[in-house]
Formats: sequence, C-alpha cells, structure tokens
Amino acid sequence: DIVLTQSPASLAVSLGQRATISCRASESVDSYGNSFMHWYQQKPGQPPKLLIYRASNLESGIPARFSGSGSRTDFTLTINPVEADDVATYYCQQSNEDPFTFGSGTKLEIK
Amino acid sequence: DVQLQESGPGLVKPSQSLSLTCTVTGYSITSDYAWNWIRQFPGNKLEWMGYISYSGSTSYNPSLKSRISITRDTSKNQFFLQLNSVTTEDTATYYCARWGGNYEHAMDYWGQGTSVTVSS
Repeated sequence: DIVLTQSPASLAVSLGQRATISCRASESVDSYGNSFMHWYQQKPGQPPKLLIYRASNLESGIPARFSGSGSRTDFTLTINPVEADDVATYYCQQSNEDPFTFGSGTKLEIK
Repeated sequence: DVQLQESGPGLVKPSQSLSLTCTVTGYSITSDYAWNWIRQFPGNKLEWMGYISYSGSTSYNPSLKSRISITRDTSKNQFFLQLNSVTTEDTATYYCARWGGNYEHAMDYWGQGTSVTVSS
C-alpha cells in the first residue's frame, strides 16, 4: 500500500497569513502525465470535502485561497490568506493505486 | 444536485454482519463513476474500503477482502456494504462517496456518514 505521511500534525496560523501542509507518498502517485493526489477539508461532524484534485486543480466552488502543488512523491496544500472558516482537519489522498489511501490529517487552528 | 445518504443499524454485535445502505439521488449509479465505502475510525484515521463501479465491477481493500461485499440495487439507485465477522475494531463512522475515475479521480460527493458501534 502507498503510505501518505502528512506534516505537520497540527498547525496554528494567524488570520491573513499563509498555511502550508505537506504530504509525502512512499512511492510515486504519478501516471499518464497526472499526479493522482487530492486534498480534502473536514470540519467536526461533517464528511470530508474535496478541495484540490490531481495535485493542483481547484474543485468547483472552492475559494482561490486554496492551492495545491507537487508531483511524484511530494505535495503541498497552501491556504493563503487563512480565514477563520478554514479551521478544520486537512487530508491528502492518493488514487494512483489500489487500495486508495489517506494521510493521517493536519489540524489547522487560528493563532 | 447529487446527494448520498447512508442508513443502517448503529449498533452491531461482535461476530455478526454489518449491513449499510447508500441511497443516491440526483445521479444514476449505472451512468458513470464508482461508488465507494470509506470509514473513519475514532481518532480520525480514514480507510477506503472498496467500490462498485457503474458497470457493476467491484474493487476491495485487500485488508478487508475476505469479509467485505459491495452490491447494488439499480432499480432503487442504492448500493450496499456488508462486512462480516465484525469486531470492536470495526467501530467507525461509515461514509459512502462517489469517485470519478475518468474525471477528477477524487471523491467529489460524500454522504453525511453513519456511526456504527460494535459492542455486545
């Protein structure tokens, strides 16, 4: 299975500043010119919500404050500027290979 | 709009089978996409369990392969999860979700989740 290691486990950022979350895969999640890494936001009591698909594509309806980058084994989710509504846990997920796997999550708080 | 809704018992006894239903509205499960079950354990770890595709083919997480079955009722636009021989380790919130293998390649719609406790 592809193991996804997220860092940091928790992050405190001031309003209006930048938050950066990393996800490292144990092997490449690239195929056919695509990076099959995705990012989700989960708030308490809610299901995960898709933010970024295939590494850098913004899902419809998601604010442009969210962006993703990376390829092969190293990926980053950036939130800039951070707003109060962004308090949540963020997960990466790969779909390049069965079984699909998720990172352990990064909890974002406001400083 | 596409909506998914899980339903099923909230309490299951150890060694019994866990059975859940996902009802989909706003999209036919036979048109396209793959229809997934994902669970989230206490402590928030997410685990992909498996899917049934629009054509009826299935894929399961090998960690569950001997215990899991995903089926569907196309007339009701529902798909189902059966997990056999459950233990307390299967206590989790269970989500159904849509996966677009030909599109985003990600889970774009999720149900609200249903909490299942395995306990005697």
